[in-house]
Amino acid sequence: KNEVEQSPQNLTAQEGEFITINCSYSVGISALHWLQQHPGGGIVSLFMLSSGKKKHGRLIATINIQEKHSSLHITASHPRDSAVYICAVMRAQKLVFGQGTRLTINP
Amino acid sequence: DGGITQSPKYLFRKEGQNVTLSCEQNLNHDAMYWYRQDPGQGLRLIYYSQIVNDFQKGDIAEGYSVSREKKESFPLTVTSAQKNPTAFYLCASSPQTGRGNYGYTFGSGTRLTVV
Repeated sequence: KNEVEQSPQNLTAQEGEFITINCSYSVGISALHWLQQHPGGGIVSLFMLSSGKKKHGRLIATINIQEKHSSLHITASHPRDSAVYICAVMRAQKLVFGQGTRLTINP
Repeated sequence: DGGITQSPKYLFRKEGQNVTLSCEQNLNHDAMYWYRQDPGQGLRLIYYSQIVNDFQKGDIAEGYSVSREKKESFPLTVTSAQKNPTAFYLCASSPQTGRGNYGYTFGSGTRLTVV
């Protein structure tokens, strides 16, 4: 079993829908990252959080340390949100990555 | 603007040849990392360096080598000993703040194809 599990692996939705991507991890961590990878391959850091909730524009990330679970939400989704979203946890000063969730938003 | 530059974006090599992937950062970050990405798998750590002239093996270091002669540069050599080198390679950096948490900056990646 992977240390970091994401669900779903693939998600297709219509423009405007509310999107939720989940991340569960099995080890103690000091922080959790949400990353976005576009088709070209480059990765952008969206959030780093160790407790509670963070919001940036239409993106919201939450983490529950006791349950070892984090969610990434996208409100009013748009085709430009189509990308692979990756959850990564910081353990012993190194990142451990989930497999990613491929999100496709259709117009 | 500060960032990480990886070059080239696409690289083709014949089997048995060594190849070096470039990674340069102008963020003044102490730590640099190399990751490998294969379809359907999470990124895996190849090597990392927390300070100039020092580096550590990651989870899949066999068949790879690195150097860190300058703070800004962390080149990765894929040697002929790497059994399955075709993959997407990502470089990243972060400020080194001891035990504190810190953000990462990623490059745009190099897609290596060995034929």
